[in-house]
Amino acid sequence: GQQLNQSPQSMFIQEGEDVSMNCTSSSIFNTWLWYKQDPGEGPVLLIALYKAGELTSNGRLTAQFGITRKDSFLNISASIPSDVGIYFCAGQNAGGTSYGKLTFGQGTILTVHP
Amino acid sequence: SAVISQKPSRDICQRGTSLTIQCQVDSQVTMMFWYRQQPGQSLTLIATANQGSEATYESGFVIDKFPISRPNLTFSTLTVSNMSPEDSSIYLCSVAKAGETQYFGPGTRLLVL
Repeated sequence: GQQLNQSPQSMFIQEGEDVSMNCTSSSIFNTWLWYKQDPGEGPVLLIALYKAGELTSNGRLTAQFGITRKDSFLNISASIPSDVGIYFCAGQNAGGTSYGKLTFGQGTILTVHP
Repeated sequence: SAVISQKPSRDICQRGTSLTIQCQVDSQVTMMFWYRQQPGQSLTLIATANQGSEATYESGFVIDKFPISRPNLTFSTLTVSNMSPEDSSIYLCSVAKAGETQYFGPGTRLLVL
C-alpha cells in the first residue's frame, strides 16, 4: 500500500526560528493535508493543498504540493511556544475504492524553547 | 468545519470486555471514518462507516473485532470487542462533507488492563 515518509521525526528549536518539515510518498496523491495534534486532542487541519505546484499560506504557515504529486513540505516562520505539538502530513486520493481515505506520515514532534 | 464530539473521552477497561465509542456531528456529513492511534504512533484508518450499510474495513481490521454502525448522517459508533492490552490506543472519528477535507473528533483514550 501507499506509504508516507515524514521528516524530521523531531525538532528542537529556539523561539523565533523557522521550521521546515516534509513528506514524500511512493505514489501520487490528489490532495495533501497538514494537521497539528496537541496532547490529549484530535488532529486539527492546518492547510489543505489540492493542485500540484500549489503554494498556500495560513498565517505563519506555508505549505506546498510538489509538482510530482509525491511530496509536500510545511514551513513555520518565526516559531512561538504554542507551535509545540505533533505535525502530521496526510495524502488523500479522490476516486475509486480509496475515495476519501487518508494516509498519514509518521509525524514530526516540534519542541520550541522560549 | 463541523463540530464533532466523542463519548467517552477516555476509559479504562478490563481485558475480554467490549467498549462502544460514539461519534456525533452537529451537521450532516457525507463520510465518517474511524482511525486508531497507538501510543506514540501515527494514525491508521480502521474503516469507513457507511450510512445504512456495512462498514468498509481496511486490511488488518475485521468486523468481528471492530463492529461499526452508522444509522444516519450525523452519528456513528465503533465497538472494540474482546479487548486486550494491545487495543490500548486513541480512537478517533473523522468526518467530511462532499468535496471537503476531513476533520477529526477529540478522540477516545482507551487503556486496557
